[in-house]
Amino acid sequence: AQKITQTQPGMFVQEKEAVTLDCTYDTSDPSYGLFWYKQPSSGEMIFLIYQGSYDQQNATEGRYSLNFQKARKSANLVISASQLGDSAMYFCAMTQGGQNFVFGPGTRLSVLP
Amino acid sequence: DAEITQSPRHKITETGRQVTLACHQTWNHNNMFWYRQDLGHGLRLIHYSYGVQDTNKGEVSDGYSVSRSNTEDLPLTLESAASSQTSVYFCASSETGIGNTIYFGEGSWLTVV
Repeated sequence: AQKITQTQPGMFVQEKEAVTLDCTYDTSDPSYGLFWYKQPSSGEMIFLIYQGSYDQQNATEGRYSLNFQKARKSANLVISASQLGDSAMYFCAMTQGGQNFVFGPGTRLSVLP
Repeated sequence: DAEITQSPRHKITETGRQVTLACHQTWNHNNMFWYRQDLGHGLRLIHYSYGVQDTNKGEVSDGYSVSRSNTEDLPLTLESAASSQTSVYFCASSETGIGNTIYFGEGSWLTVV
């Protein structure tokens, strides 16, 4: 069965600093996709970044990058140059075939001025 | 623009009443999902559908039902609302395929008193 673990319930980071949010996953399927979503206090779920299991390079989207270490089954999200608007819950998720999505428990990030 | 909409966005109901939360997507996605989000539990899957007339139970399906009569809609029904079903409910959709992400509605806040 698929499982996502996020071991950091809460994180603090100073504005303009970089921060890494941890995500480890468990699956026996060689083909899968990994995602990160942001949920601000307003409640909506915002897609941030995607990494495929066969992708050779780490995904990047603006200030977001995904540190994909396949052998360790980790998919950490790196946010560079943190902004106050980055304060939110962050969820790591995994899918196989775009159907069965499994989410981690989330990490609450607080950016300090 | 394609979107996914939920209604009502906020509802207060009494214990024992039947409640239906509507979900409508214009992405033309085959896959639709209902999740509930509670503090400390992240997103938990209630029911999902991979196409018209197809419905499946998720990890927390007791007390809930869904039906899929067309591609666009997946209404979630609480047969007899209980206080334990007070939660935020998210509808989501995706297309089958390894690189496809999941798109969320804005959430429905349900309070059972």
